[in-house]
Amino acid sequence: SQQGEEDPQALSIQEGENATMNCSYKTSINNLQWYRQNSGRGLVHLILIRSNEREKHSGRLRVTLDTSKKSSSLLITASRAADTASYFCATDADRGSSNTGKLIFGQGTTLQVKP
Amino acid sequence: DVKVTQSSRYLVKRTGEKVFLECVQDMDHENMFWYRQDPGLGLRLIYFSYDVKMKEKGDIPEGYSVSREKKERFSLILESASTNQTSMYLCASSLGQSSTGELFFGEGSRLTVL
Repeated sequence: SQQGEEDPQALSIQEGENATMNCSYKTSINNLQWYRQNSGRGLVHLILIRSNEREKHSGRLRVTLDTSKKSSSLLITASRAADTASYFCATDADRGSSNTGKLIFGQGTTLQVKP
Repeated sequence: DVKVTQSSRYLVKRTGEKVFLECVQDMDHENMFWYRQDPGLGLRLIYFSYDVKMKEKGDIPEGYSVSREKKERFSLILESASTNQTSMYLCASSLGQSSTGELFFGEGSRLTVL
Protein backbone atom coordinates (compact mmCIF):
# COMPACT_ATOMS: atom_id res chain seq x y z
CA SER A 1 0.00 0.00 0.00
CA GLN A 2 1.31 3.42 -0.89
CA GLN A 3 1.60 5.86 1.97
CA GLY A 4 3.28 8.78 0.30
CA GLU A 5 2.37 10.21 -3.07
CA GLU A 6 4.53 12.79 -4.76
CA ASP A 7 3.40 15.59 -6.98
CA PRO A 8 4.30 16.38 -9.70
CA GLN A 9 5.45 13.09 -11.20
CA ALA A 10 7.92 14.95 -13.40
CA LEU A 11 9.41 18.42 -13.28
CA SER A 12 11.71 20.16 -15.74
CA ILE A 13 13.37 23.46 -14.89
CA GLN A 14 16.34 25.60 -15.89
CA GLU A 15 19.49 25.76 -13.85
CA GLY A 16 19.24 28.43 -11.19
CA GLU A 17 15.49 28.07 -10.73
CA ASN A 18 13.87 26.63 -7.63
CA ALA A 19 12.23 23.19 -7.67
CA THR A 20 9.33 22.30 -5.42
CA MET A 21 8.05 18.78 -4.91
CA ASN A 22 5.09 17.80 -2.79
CA CYS A 23 4.24 14.66 -0.89
CA SER A 24 0.95 13.60 0.64
CA TYR A 25 0.41 10.72 3.01
CA LYS A 26 -2.55 9.01 4.58
CA THR A 27 -1.90 7.99 8.17
CA SER A 28 -0.24 9.45 11.23
CA ILE A 29 3.54 9.47 11.13
CA ASN A 30 6.48 9.81 13.47
CA ASN A 31 8.69 11.34 10.84
CA LEU A 32 8.92 11.94 7.12
CA GLN A 33 12.07 11.53 5.09
CA TRP A 34 13.18 12.60 1.63
CA TYR A 35 15.53 10.55 -0.52
CA ARG A 36 17.24 11.14 -3.81
CA GLN A 37 18.00 8.56 -6.50
CA ASN A 38 20.27 9.08 -9.47
CA SER A 39 19.33 7.06 -12.52
CA GLY A 40 20.06 3.36 -12.04
CA ARG A 41 21.51 3.82 -8.56
CA GLY A 42 20.43 3.33 -4.98
CA LEU A 43 18.61 5.91 -2.86
CA VAL A 44 20.42 8.42 -0.73
CA HIS A 45 18.92 10.00 2.37
CA LEU A 46 18.56 13.78 2.15
CA ILE A 47 16.66 15.02 5.16
CA LEU A 48 14.32 13.91 7.92
CA ILE A 49 11.61 15.99 9.54
CA ARG A 50 9.85 14.87 12.69
CA SER A 51 6.11 15.12 13.18
CA ASN A 52 6.53 17.93 15.72
CA GLU A 53 8.63 20.04 13.33
CA ARG A 54 7.22 22.36 10.70
CA GLU A 55 10.27 23.31 8.70
CA LYS A 56 13.83 22.14 8.30
CA HIS A 57 16.78 23.32 6.24
CA SER A 58 19.87 21.57 4.96
CA GLY A 59 22.05 23.54 2.55
CA ARG A 60 19.91 24.32 -0.50
CA LEU A 61 17.12 22.04 0.73
CA ARG A 62 14.10 23.22 2.62
CA VAL A 63 11.46 20.80 3.84
CA THR A 64 8.10 21.69 5.32
CA LEU A 65 5.62 19.45 7.05
CA ASP A 66 1.94 20.10 7.63
CA THR A 67 0.54 17.27 9.72
CA SER A 68 -2.97 18.71 9.63
CA LYS A 69 -2.97 18.36 5.85
CA LYS A 70 -0.79 15.25 5.89
CA SER A 71 1.58 16.81 3.40
CA SER A 72 5.20 17.79 2.99
CA SER A 73 7.14 19.76 0.43
CA LEU A 74 10.77 19.68 -0.63
CA LEU A 75 12.23 22.87 -2.05
CA ILE A 76 15.58 22.86 -3.83
CA THR A 77 16.83 26.40 -4.28
CA ALA A 78 19.18 27.59 -7.04
CA SER A 79 19.05 24.24 -8.77
CA ARG A 80 22.01 22.78 -10.61
CA ALA A 81 22.25 20.25 -13.43
CA ALA A 82 23.67 17.83 -10.86
CA ASP A 83 20.35 17.94 -8.99
CA THR A 84 18.79 15.96 -11.84
CA ALA A 85 17.45 12.84 -10.16
CA SER A 86 14.30 11.26 -8.75
CA TYR A 87 13.15 12.37 -5.33
CA PHE A 88 11.09 10.23 -2.99
CA CYS A 89 9.31 10.91 0.25
CA ALA A 90 9.06 8.12 2.78
CA THR A 91 7.07 7.72 5.95
CA ASP A 92 7.14 5.21 8.73
CA ALA A 93 4.35 2.74 8.25
CA ASP A 94 2.53 3.26 11.52
CA ARG A 95 3.01 4.52 15.02
CA GLY A 96 5.85 2.91 16.86
CA SER A 97 7.39 1.42 13.77
CA SER A 98 9.93 4.17 13.18
CA ASN A 99 12.43 2.35 15.33
CA THR A 100 12.36 -0.61 12.99
CA GLY A 101 13.11 1.67 10.08
CA LYS A 102 10.27 0.22 8.04
CA LEU A 103 9.36 2.92 5.56
CA ILE A 104 6.76 3.28 2.87
CA PHE A 105 7.85 5.21 -0.19
CA GLY A 106 5.94 7.31 -2.65
CA GLN A 107 6.36 6.88 -6.39
CA GLY A 108 8.74 9.79 -6.68
CA THR A 109 9.18 13.00 -8.63
CA THR A 110 11.60 12.96 -11.53
CA LEU A 111 13.45 16.26 -11.67
CA GLN A 112 15.36 17.41 -14.72
CA VAL A 113 17.50 20.51 -14.41
CA LYS A 114 18.60 21.85 -17.76
CA PRO A 115 21.97 23.61 -17.94
CA ASP B 1 30.46 6.08 6.01
CA VAL B 2 27.96 3.27 6.00
CA LYS B 3 28.40 0.95 3.11
CA VAL B 4 25.73 -1.40 1.86
CA THR B 5 27.01 -3.70 -0.82
CA GLN B 6 24.88 -5.72 -3.18
CA SER B 7 26.82 -8.53 -4.78
CA SER B 8 25.53 -8.18 -8.33
CA ARG B 9 24.55 -5.03 -10.20
CA TYR B 10 23.10 -6.88 -13.17
CA LEU B 11 21.81 -10.44 -13.48
CA VAL B 12 20.08 -12.31 -16.26
CA LYS B 13 18.34 -15.54 -15.32
CA ARG B 14 15.94 -17.97 -16.94
CA THR B 15 12.42 -18.76 -15.79
CA GLY B 16 12.46 -21.41 -13.10
CA GLU B 17 16.02 -20.78 -11.95
CA LYS B 18 16.82 -20.21 -8.30
CA VAL B 19 18.25 -16.76 -7.75
CA PHE B 20 20.23 -15.44 -4.80
CA LEU B 21 20.68 -11.73 -4.21
CA GLU B 22 23.23 -10.95 -1.52
CA CYS B 23 23.50 -7.83 0.58
CA VAL B 24 26.17 -6.95 3.12
CA GLN B 25 26.37 -3.92 5.41
CA ASP B 26 29.44 -2.90 7.36
CA MET B 27 28.03 -0.70 10.15
CA ASP B 28 26.57 -3.24 12.55
CA HIS B 29 23.01 -2.21 11.70
CA GLU B 30 20.26 -4.29 13.22
CA ASN B 31 17.63 -3.73 10.54
CA MET B 32 17.88 -4.83 6.94
CA PHE B 33 15.37 -4.59 4.13
CA TRP B 34 14.70 -5.75 0.60
CA TYR B 35 12.65 -3.55 -1.72
CA ARG B 36 11.84 -3.91 -5.36
CA GLN B 37 11.39 -0.91 -7.60
CA ASP B 38 9.27 -0.86 -10.72
CA PRO B 39 8.26 2.04 -12.97
CA GLY B 40 4.99 3.56 -11.85
CA LEU B 41 4.91 1.50 -8.66
CA GLY B 42 7.72 3.04 -6.68
CA LEU B 43 9.51 1.02 -4.01
CA ARG B 44 7.68 -1.88 -2.45
CA LEU B 45 8.89 -3.73 0.61
CA ILE B 46 9.43 -7.46 0.12
CA TYR B 47 10.90 -8.59 3.45
CA PHE B 48 12.73 -7.08 6.36
CA SER B 49 14.72 -8.31 9.30
CA TYR B 50 15.39 -6.60 12.62
CA ASP B 51 17.73 -9.22 14.05
CA VAL B 52 19.74 -12.26 13.11
CA LYS B 53 17.49 -15.14 12.09
CA MET B 54 14.43 -12.90 12.37
CA LYS B 55 12.37 -11.94 9.34
CA GLU B 56 9.05 -10.32 8.64
CA LYS B 57 7.01 -10.13 5.49
CA GLY B 58 6.61 -6.83 3.77
CA ASP B 59 3.92 -5.88 1.31
CA ILE B 60 4.84 -8.28 -1.52
CA PRO B 61 6.55 -11.40 -0.11
CA GLU B 62 5.00 -13.90 -2.50
CA GLY B 63 7.60 -15.72 -4.56
CA TYR B 64 10.46 -14.62 -2.32
CA SER B 65 12.23 -15.83 0.78
CA VAL B 66 15.07 -14.37 2.82
CA SER B 67 17.90 -15.51 5.02
CA ARG B 68 19.76 -13.69 7.76
CA GLU B 69 22.28 -16.01 9.35
CA LYS B 70 24.73 -13.23 10.22
CA LYS B 71 24.01 -9.68 11.29
CA GLU B 72 25.80 -8.10 8.35
CA ARG B 73 24.27 -10.23 5.60
CA PHE B 74 20.71 -10.37 4.30
CA SER B 75 19.95 -12.56 1.32
CA LEU B 76 16.92 -12.49 -0.94
CA ILE B 77 16.02 -15.75 -2.63
CA LEU B 78 13.79 -16.33 -5.60
CA GLU B 79 13.03 -20.04 -5.41
CA SER B 80 11.79 -20.26 -8.99
CA ALA B 81 12.26 -17.05 -10.92
CA SER B 82 9.43 -15.82 -13.09
CA THR B 83 9.32 -13.07 -15.70
CA ASN B 84 7.20 -10.85 -13.44
CA GLN B 85 10.11 -10.74 -11.02
CA THR B 86 12.17 -8.78 -13.52
CA SER B 87 12.89 -5.64 -11.53
CA MET B 88 15.41 -3.50 -9.69
CA TYR B 89 16.06 -4.90 -6.22
CA LEU B 90 17.29 -2.57 -3.51
CA CYS B 91 18.75 -3.61 -0.19
CA ALA B 92 18.84 -1.20 2.73
CA SER B 93 19.88 -1.17 6.36
CA SER B 94 19.29 0.99 9.40
CA LEU B 95 20.17 1.14 13.08
CA GLY B 96 17.85 -0.53 15.50
CA GLN B 97 15.66 0.79 18.28
CA SER B 98 17.73 3.89 18.97
CA SER B 99 17.57 5.20 15.42
CA THR B 100 15.25 7.59 13.62
CA GLY B 101 14.78 5.11 10.82
CA GLU B 102 17.09 6.58 8.19
CA LEU B 103 17.81 3.93 5.58
CA PHE B 104 21.12 3.35 3.87
CA PHE B 105 20.75 1.76 0.45
CA GLY B 106 22.93 -0.36 -1.75
CA GLU B 107 23.42 0.44 -5.42
CA GLY B 108 20.72 -1.98 -6.51
CA SER B 109 20.62 -5.25 -8.43
CA ARG B 110 18.83 -5.19 -11.76
CA LEU B 111 17.41 -8.64 -12.43
CA THR B 112 16.09 -9.73 -15.80
CA VAL B 113 14.23 -13.04 -15.99
CA LEU B 114 13.86 -14.45 -19.49
